[in-house]
Amino acid sequence: AQKVTQAQTEISVVEKEDVTLDCVYETRDTTYYLFWYKQPPSGELVFLIRRNSFDEQNEISGRYSWNFQKSTSSFNFTITASQVVDSAVYFCALSEGTSYDKVIFGPGTSLSVIP
Amino acid sequence: DVKVTQSSRYLVKRTGEKVFLECVQDMDHENMFWYRQDPGLGLRLIYFSYDVKMKEKGDIPEGYSVSREKKERFSLILESASTNQTSMYLCASSLLGGQGQAEAFFGQGTRLTVV
Repeated sequence: AQKVTQAQTEISVVEKEDVTLDCVYETRDTTYYLFWYKQPPSGELVFLIRRNSFDEQNEISGRYSWNFQKSTSSFNFTITASQVVDSAVYFCALSEGTSYDKVIFGPGTSLSVIP
Repeated sequence: DVKVTQSSRYLVKRTGEKVFLECVQDMDHENMFWYRQDPGLGLRLIYFSYDVKMKEKGDIPEGYSVSREKKERFSLILESASTNQTSMYLCASSLLGGQGQAEAFFGQGTRLTVV
């Protein structure tokens, strides 16, 4: 069965600190997709990244970077030099390679960046 | 600019009422989803639809039904609202997946309170 675990419920950091959000997933499929979404206080989830199971290359986008490790079933998200605007709930999500795009979300990590 | 619009931001309904939550997307997406979001539980899939008049149960369909008469509109129906259905409801849409697993676009959410 699919499962996504985000062990960190809440994290607080001071502005400009780096922070890593952990995500561990479970799946029996060899083909699957991993996602990160951001939910700011306004409530609307915003897509950040998608990674398929055949691509283990790490990705960097500005201050954001993602570390995908199949050996540990983890897909961690790091924010470098955090800013107040990064304060949000972050969700890791998983879908298996079916045609119906069913996505399972983790419980989320609430990040507070303190000025 | 892509858009998923939920008809209400806040709703208060009485126990036993029939409740309709409406969602419209303007991106010609095949997939549409209804999630509920509760603290500590993340997003849980209620129902999804991959085509007009097609629907699939998600993880927590009990007490809910859906309707998709037109491609752009996906309605969530609470047949007889109960207090344990008090929650944030999120609608999302995405392109049909397959080899290219698509990210989902979310609405702003409807916070439903059942009293």
